[in-house]
Amino acid sequence: GESVGLHLPTLSVQEGDNSIINCAYSNSASDYFIWYKQESGKGPQFIIDIRSNMDKRQGQRVTVLLNKTVKHLSLQIAATQPGDSAVYFCAENPFMYTGNQFYFGTGTSLTVIP
Amino acid sequence: GEEVAQTPKHLVRGEGQKAKLYCAPIKGHSYVFWYQQVLKNEFKFLISFQNENVFDETGMPKERFSAKCLPNSPCSLEIQATKLEDSAVYFCASSQTGVSGEQYFGPGTRLTVT
Repeated sequence: GESVGLHLPTLSVQEGDNSIINCAYSNSASDYFIWYKQESGKGPQFIIDIRSNMDKRQGQRVTVLLNKTVKHLSLQIAATQPGDSAVYFCAENPFMYTGNQFYFGTGTSLTVIP
Repeated sequence: GEEVAQTPKHLVRGEGQKAKLYCAPIKGHSYVFWYQQVLKNEFKFLISFQNENVFDETGMPKERFSAKCLPNSPCSLEIQATKLEDSAVYFCASSQTGVSGEQYFGPGTRLTVT
């Protein structure tokens, strides 16, 4: 089966600092990736996505970097705020155009210290 | 509606009983996805629909799990003869564009099998 994993299960950062959450994937054919944020008791919320023809994509306070050479994905959150505290998941889809399933990583719990 | 709705919020079943979960996708979304999340860890894809047609069912334990998306009705996920290991939060997500676009997740149904 596919393997999408996160390097660190937990991450604590000071409010105002930048956060970096990492994700490794195993399928070099994967062509579409999404980062999700899940707050306690809620469903995952889409943060940002990136396709394999890109190596960087920026959103509001978030940046996703894709390194296909080492099959690594990262999510950078600028000026982390208490509201960013949540579990972050990366999800991988190896067959974007045929519509197959996403493979989710285990999740990294981010805690923002005020 | 503008949100994916899932009912019930919590469901408790004795081992061997049937469980049925419901999902109302966002109006206008053609794709529906079901995921299983155990212990706040990674999501397991179960099945997806394009309108009322099964799109991808490679994640479904077919001997006890079934799902439907009928016109003008909420989608449903049914588990016959539940087992202890079925205890999880079941999330439904909907999308306009299948897996190549943002999936909007519902709040989930927590199933506890005793």
